[in-house]
Amino acid sequence: EAQVTQNPRYLITVTGKKLTVTCSQNMNHEYMSWYRQDPGLGLRQIYYSMNVEVTDKGDVPEGYKVSRKEKRNFPLILESPSPNQTSLYFCASRRGRAGSYNEQFFGPGTRLTVL
Amino acid sequence: GENVEQHPSTLSVQEGDSAVIKCTYSDSASNYFPWYKQELGKRPQLIIDIRSNVGEKKDQRIAVTLNKTAKHFSLHITETQPEDSAVYFCAAINPNTGNQFYFGTGTSLTVIP
Repeated sequence: EAQVTQNPRYLITVTGKKLTVTCSQNMNHEYMSWYRQDPGLGLRQIYYSMNVEVTDKGDVPEGYKVSRKEKRNFPLILESPSPNQTSLYFCASRRGRAGSYNEQFFGPGTRLTVL
Repeated sequence: GENVEQHPSTLSVQEGDSAVIKCTYSDSASNYFPWYKQELGKRPQLIIDIRSNVGEKKDQRIAVTLNKTAKHFSLHITETQPEDSAVYFCAAINPNTGNQFYFGTGTSLTVIP
């Protein structure tokens, strides 16, 4: 089944404790992205990647890191989480490169709480 | 970058009535406009999209219109049903900014049976 998976689905942690949220897709998509969803603010892009070893900042990259060592995986790293990073996070992927318009598939979401 | 505004933030309609959600964008270079539906507790899913070389697109009860001159696009849902209740997001994609997706803030639609 073609899908985007994320782990963990739920996470409660404390300020300053490094964490990684994994994202994997099995559709051989070039483009992958991370979003955070907050009430009243919609979906805001954190980082995106057009292909392996290519990553770029989105609108709200502060406090986050990503890597794209393999085409299928795009982990989101919070080196020192803070309470303002409490949010619902979505990973997404789509086929194609710049100039192409293909459906973006979202993962199931990770609800993160930072105490 | 791009700024996408979406209205209204909440919308209630009677079953069978039509619903219209409007979005505006700021950068005339944006050229792809998808709409996503997010049911409670679930992930966003694409329901319809439109490219800048098209003025209108329909898919059964849903349609999207695009006015490039005014830089706004709208989602139209006819004969609404309770299962249409969800949060709807519009988005604009700008090829000049690496094909970033810029989302609106969402519209919570409630269809009253």
